[in-house]
Amino acid sequence: LAKTTQPISMDSYEGQEVNITCSHNNIATNDYITWYQQFPSQGPRFIIQGYKTKVTNEVASLFIPADRKSSTLSLPRVSLSDTAVYYCLVKAGRRALTFGSGTRLQVQP
Amino acid sequence: NAGVTQTPKFQVLKTGQSMTLQCAQDMNHEYMSWYRQDPGMGLRLIHYSVGAGITDQGEVPNGYNVSRSTTEDFPLRLLSAAPSQTSVYFCASSYSTGGGSPLHFGNGTRLTVT
Repeated sequence: LAKTTQPISMDSYEGQEVNITCSHNNIATNDYITWYQQFPSQGPRFIIQGYKTKVTNEVASLFIPADRKSSTLSLPRVSLSDTAVYYCLVKAGRRALTFGSGTRLQVQP
Repeated sequence: NAGVTQTPKFQVLKTGQSMTLQCAQDMNHEYMSWYRQDPGMGLRLIHYSVGAGITDQGEVPNGYNVSRSTTEDFPLRLLSAAPSQTSVYFCASSYSTGGGSPLHFGNGTRLTVT
């Protein structure tokens, strides 16, 4: 199964921009890259999705280089409520969707 | 909209007991899946289904059975519960596994096996 690799944890302060990078060397031609956010005791929720170059919504931006072997989730001006675990997800063969270990983001005041 | 509904929210079992975790979605999604999440860990795929009558194994299928007789429902059966199956179980669905189709998650079932 294709795997994603992310940093285990990151720390930041309120008001800073946070960039979380995910490596996905085995991404297939038709696969999209999707990022999810998970708070304790809740299921993950969708943040942003992209195929190439840059995607932006009201919450985040997603940067994908031309070779698509990695992607970077950018959270502008984080607040305490952004403290969560962030997962990147790509299709992992045989139509299975397998999560990596995620990045635990801790935002300090 | 109900989205993805999981029942029960909490369950305590004794070793060797069996039970079924229920998952239902009202979005007409073709793809449904079950994940387990152990404390402080990521999500691991147990089983998934790309449509009614079609199921396949994920990363950690041992000890679990699934079936998909309708588009809406995807129950997960624990055949003989073991303490190692203590975990939080999440059901998720999406229109497909292709691009532009994010997963929608339920609120989870917290299972304790003693």
